[in-house]
Amino acid sequence: SQQGEEDPQALSIQEGENATMNCSYKTSINNLQWYRQNSGRGLVHLILIRSNEREKHSGRLRVTLDTSKKSSSLLITASRAADTASYFCATDQGTDKLIFGTGTRLQVFP
Amino acid sequence: DGGITQSPKYLFRKEGQNVTLSCEQNLNHDAMYWYRQDPGQGLRLIYYSQIVNDFQKGDIAEGYSVSREKKESFPLTVTSAQKNPTAFYLCASSTAGTLSMSQHFGDGTRLSIL
Repeated sequence: SQQGEEDPQALSIQEGENATMNCSYKTSINNLQWYRQNSGRGLVHLILIRSNEREKHSGRLRVTLDTSKKSSSLLITASRAADTASYFCATDQGTDKLIFGTGTRLQVFP
Repeated sequence: DGGITQSPKYLFRKEGQNVTLSCEQNLNHDAMYWYRQDPGQGLRLIYYSQIVNDFQKGDIAEGYSVSREKKESFPLTVTSAQKNPTAFYLCASSTAGTLSMSQHFGDGTRLSIL
């Protein structure tokens, strides 16, 4: 399968804790993107990291990319109940399309 | 506000029936995409279009058809040949020429079989 894989499949934490989710992929990439999906809604783009970048920040989000291990991680700091959602990574492998992973379901309890 | 509108939100199909899902965008994006999402799975690409009057098959195009007569619109028809159409369908768009940039999504159409 071309799809990337997120790990863990599901994650439950308390508000205020940090949440880390990982994405692995199989081929070389131009960039990797992270998206959030609230239940029953479309995806929302969070952050894009290019293959020559190792780390990127956006507000409470921190993304790292290790091209030698073909993996990326998304860290959400000081999580809130509103962060409850599914999170997907997507890779640009130099074709005309993004390849989406299977997602991590995050539950943040108040 | 610019965005992507998908309609209807819920759709039911009878056996042997074709149904069409609407996707309209006012973002002035050249590229548009249709994805299928099944429970617990990621998105799978059905069709995509980089420019008006042109489109390409994605990974799971069998049983689906599209048209791109206007820049703003990219309707998806689920034909009777698609034997397992129950799924959540998502439409997206992006700026063509920068296909590696982010995609903007609509809020989806949930299709079920009667």
